[in-house]
Amino acid sequence: GAVVSQHPSRVICKSGTSVKIECRSLDFQATTMFWYRQFPKQSLMLMATSNEGSKATYEQGVEKDKFLINHASLTLSTLTVTSAHPEDSSFYICSADRTDSGEQYFGPGTRLTVT
Amino acid sequence: DAKTTQPNSMESNEEEPVHLPCNHSTISGTDYIHWYRQLPSQGPEYVIHGLTSNVNNRMASLAIAEDRKSSTLILHRATLRDAAVYYCILRNHNTNAGKSTFGDGTTLTVKP
Repeated sequence: GAVVSQHPSRVICKSGTSVKIECRSLDFQATTMFWYRQFPKQSLMLMATSNEGSKATYEQGVEKDKFLINHASLTLSTLTVTSAHPEDSSFYICSADRTDSGEQYFGPGTRLTVT
Repeated sequence: DAKTTQPNSMESNEEEPVHLPCNHSTISGTDYIHWYRQLPSQGPEYVIHGLTSNVNNRMASLAIAEDRKSSTLILHRATLRDAAVYYCILRNHNTNAGKSTFGDGTTLTVKP
């Protein structure tokens, strides 16, 4: 089946630094990928829609200058958390649409801890 | 995005069938019903989706009400590995395809 990978699986960084998270669709092309954030014991919250070759679309309340998204190819989207703070610590999950089937595949998630 | 409502939690015994309900009274004609499940510290896993007719795959069955305002995910024989949070989501394949709005889901506990 289709697989979406994320790298790294977990990262610890110091407050004020930036962290980049990669999301790859391994066996299909994804024109559109999505980034979610999930806090403990809560549901997934959509942060932004990543479109290949164009600017990302951010959900209300998500700072586009803080969460930089780049979708440079049909198989790779990146999320950069800039000037990270402890409140950015969360589980970040990406997903990609397989447009030929309507199925949406999620990555395994990246656990970010900001100290 | 159309909203779905699910019970917060359900329990099942191992090897018994489980019926997970979902209400979506404001569903539009082009909304597909998708189900995902999530284990702790993992990304959601696709389970099944459908539009109007009941659907079966190797993981589960999806029963959709005739008026499409509700659906039920059926696990025919629950195993301990089926313990997870199950999300019912509506996705419009014509617009904002893939933009899934997650509710709180149903936490399924499977007892041995």
